[in-house]
Amino acid sequence: KAGVTQTPRYLIKTRGQQVTLSCSPISGHRSVSWYQQTPGQGLQFLFEYFSETQRNKGNFPGRFSGRQFSNSRSEMNVSTLELGDSALYLCASSGGQYQETQYFGPGTRLLVL
Amino acid sequence: QQQVKQSPQSLIVQKGGISIINCAYENTAFDYFPWYQQFPGKGPALLIAIRPDVSEKKEGRFTISFNKSAKQFSLHIMDSQPGDSATYFCAASKGQAGTALIFGKGTTLSVSS
Repeated sequence: KAGVTQTPRYLIKTRGQQVTLSCSPISGHRSVSWYQQTPGQGLQFLFEYFSETQRNKGNFPGRFSGRQFSNSRSEMNVSTLELGDSALYLCASSGGQYQETQYFGPGTRLLVL
Repeated sequence: QQQVKQSPQSLIVQKGGISIINCAYENTAFDYFPWYQQFPGKGPALLIAIRPDVSEKKEGRFTISFNKSAKQFSLHIMDSQPGDSATYFCAASKGQAGTALIFGKGTTLSVSS
């Protein structure tokens, strides 16, 4: 079974721009979660989607948003980028027998200049 | 408020030795405790996970020990190998589908040959 895939893998943007990241979950998984990883703050939960609905949200500003499509693929969007948004953005999918188990993709490395 | 505290921050172990990483949590509602391994440029990969109804779980060279009363859990890597050199993260969640994983800050393990 193919794992979680994320595109693009690397991205460079400038302050004030917006960015959209994409995630395809493991086949059959309907839950997709997004995390931000930085050296200072570590891994932090952004939000989780299930059946096209946001079920859970972390403590991030409204500039961070997401959505999920009917095929469970998910996108996250960051508007008005700030330097501090530079991070590795990770997508994780879960489903099947063990709903709590999350499987991570390789991440999208975002650099904001 | 950091809900999962992980130590040590870094660890150097000789090949064949035992690596021990400790985590402590605060929220008694947590009931799912996974460990993830992350190599540079990769997303976190699930190693092993435990629920509070057992005090120990072993999978190959990896063992989780869990102390519910102390709200602590640890990862033991037996017969550590150079290929185990990576960053290890403990995490905790309420164990329900869609709930956020709360991660420790990570431990960088280096196994010297």
